[in-house]
Amino acid sequence: AQKVTQAQTEISVVEKEDVTLDCVYETRDTTYYLFWYKQPPSGELVFLIRRNSFDEQNEISGRYSWNFQKSTSSFNFTITASQVVDSAVYFCALVSGYALNFGKGTSLLVTP
Amino acid sequence: DTGVSQDPRHKITKRGQNVTFRCDPISEHNRLYWYRQTLGQGPEFLTYFQNEAQLEKSRLLSDRFSAERPKGSFSTLEIQRTEQGDSAMYLCASIGSGGGYEQFFGPGTRLTVL
Repeated sequence: AQKVTQAQTEISVVEKEDVTLDCVYETRDTTYYLFWYKQPPSGELVFLIRRNSFDEQNEISGRYSWNFQKSTSSFNFTITASQVVDSAVYFCALVSGYALNFGKGTSLLVTP
Repeated sequence: DTGVSQDPRHKITKRGQNVTFRCDPISEHNRLYWYRQTLGQGPEFLTYFQNEAQLEKSRLLSDRFSAERPKGSFSTLEIQRTEQGDSAMYLCASIGSGGGYEQFFGPGTRLTVL
């Protein structure tokens, strides 16, 4: 069975703090894809990153970085020097057959 | 490329009424998905089309739900005899045929059943 767990329901930080959002997944597939999406208050899901199971290289994009570790089945997301505009719900997801299987999301609040 | 669009953005209806939502995917995207999202949860898969063929349906899609994509372009999702439990955000997403698995989502239709 495919499962994505985001144990952190809500996180609150002060602007400029670093924050890490955790994602743990379960799958029996040897080839799979993991994703992070951002859902701001407006509601539209915004794609952030895709990672396939054969690529364990960490990725950095500006203030965002992702740490993929197959040994622990984790795909964590770090925001460096957080900003108020980062406030949103962040979802980790795993491709399951045709569809995305989402975690329950982590709500991030960044206060000035 | 105008992105995925959905109409209406909000729908309020009374229990027992039928509602229909429309999704226009990114042009030339041949794969289209419908998801449902309730408060505090991640989106849950409902159904999937490749071109006009509906290839997969979730157990969440009861017989009151029907989806179509008649010409392989836009899609409609109809809910018959709505129930209060149908209140949710209905999201549409699409992917092109050129590979890649990242789904591009529309803004959603928020349904409230009174």
